[in-house]
Amino acid sequence: TQLLEQSPQFLSIQEGENLTVYCNSSSVFSSLQWYRQEPGEGPVLLVTVVTGGEVKKLKRLTFQFGDARKDSSLHITAAQPGDTGLYLCAGGISNFGNEKLTFGTGTRLTIIP
Amino acid sequence: ETGVTQSPTHLIKTRGQQVTLRCSSQSGHNTVSWYQQALGQGPQFIFQYYREEENGRGNFPPRFSGLQFPNYSSELNVNALELDDSALYLCASSRQEGTRTTNEKLFFGSGTQLSVL
Repeated sequence: TQLLEQSPQFLSIQEGENLTVYCNSSSVFSSLQWYRQEPGEGPVLLVTVVTGGEVKKLKRLTFQFGDARKDSSLHITAAQPGDTGLYLCAGGISNFGNEKLTFGTGTRLTIIP
Repeated sequence: ETGVTQSPTHLIKTRGQQVTLRCSSQSGHNTVSWYQQALGQGPQFIFQYYREEENGRGNFPPRFSGLQFPNYSSELNVNALELDDSALYLCASSRQEGTRTTNEKLFFGSGTQLSVL
């Protein structure tokens, strides 16, 4: 069973600060995805990384896939209240057809204005 | 934006009952995956349907079953409900082409919140 652990589980910081969320596993994944989920909604995909060491930027968000494809990080610069939400990482397991996703435990982020 | 719709949005059942949850996939998508998200946790993969057949299953007992219809919509059925089945059930659709492994973007619905009393 592939497990993805995220840290921290909860994070509350002031607007304008920087933060990093980590996603770690002992398993190798074919891809790593990051989602944000708002209350009462399903997760929305932010980014997919597939190559070990890959770095992707989405405005103030920077995503990195570990060299061994077992871990990932999400760094947010100058956090804003709109960044508040549940951040989920998900590892893809190759199979015939679409990958099956294993989700992490989630990081609940609160940005205080 | 996602186009994935789930019904009902909320449901209350008692232990031992059966429940059917429904999902309409986004236009152009032929694959549906179901996830269970317990309070405070990440979603857990239940199973996936492609071409009306189960195409992968997570660690869930047989009382969790599903269907996919020719129009690619899907149902999740849970028999003999237990208290621990209380969760948000999420449906996600995507497009698969043959057996080639892809990481096509998943589009999630807003989920069905199931409470088992």
